[in-house]
Amino acid sequence: GESVGLHLPTLSVQEGDNSIINCAYSNSASDYFIWYKQESGKGPQFIIDIRSNMDKRQGQRVTVLLNKTVKHLSLQIAATQPGDSAVYFCAEEREYGGSQGNLIFGKGTKLSVKP
Amino acid sequence: NAGVTQTPKFQVLKTGQSMTLQCAQDMNHNSMYWYRQDPGMGLRLIYYSASEGTTDKGEVPNGYNVSRLNKREFSLRLESAAPSQTSVYFCASSEGTRVAYEQYFGPGTRLTVT
Repeated sequence: GESVGLHLPTLSVQEGDNSIINCAYSNSASDYFIWYKQESGKGPQFIIDIRSNMDKRQGQRVTVLLNKTVKHLSLQIAATQPGDSAVYFCAEEREYGGSQGNLIFGKGTKLSVKP
Repeated sequence: NAGVTQTPKFQVLKTGQSMTLQCAQDMNHNSMYWYRQDPGMGLRLIYYSASEGTTDKGEVPNGYNVSRLNKREFSLRLESAAPSQTSVYFCASSEGTRVAYEQYFGPGTRLTVT
């Protein structure tokens, strides 16, 4: 049978356009969120983070928006470039065994940039 | 600095065989982690080590053991491999266990169990 987990959501954008990648998180008690970028054959790489006491945080060409009411996180990439093609994961903080700081990752979105 | 290194890069095992995945970091980080990534899925935490001498279970620890050999090295052992353990395994390290400390990931080990 076919596994839903094998099919990543995909976003295809034209080079130079803005990209918006969305993520829904599960734990209303989470207070820290991170976006990671994973290029093919490589490990995840940190992009930007945001704490739950913020609604918006900007980096270089990237902006993260947090809507705690609906438990939704988005990553905006301005002027998308071919080098931005990758799988993007959101992650939320989760506590294990009394030790905070462990991450729960979403399933990811594959971003393809058309030249 | 090499960052986080993992060996081997690829491995094929038969069901029931055992093996150890190696991870080392040269950033003097206190905390280290092992994750697995299945096709089309995010990473799931197997075990972590908050500091040298301590290890704790993560989300999916069954079938695995870990050893924090020293501050630099954190190994993951499969005692009796099963096809369900076919996955890509990532090691990561950070200064501390709070997520304010960025996790740095290795390149991954692709494991196939037949």
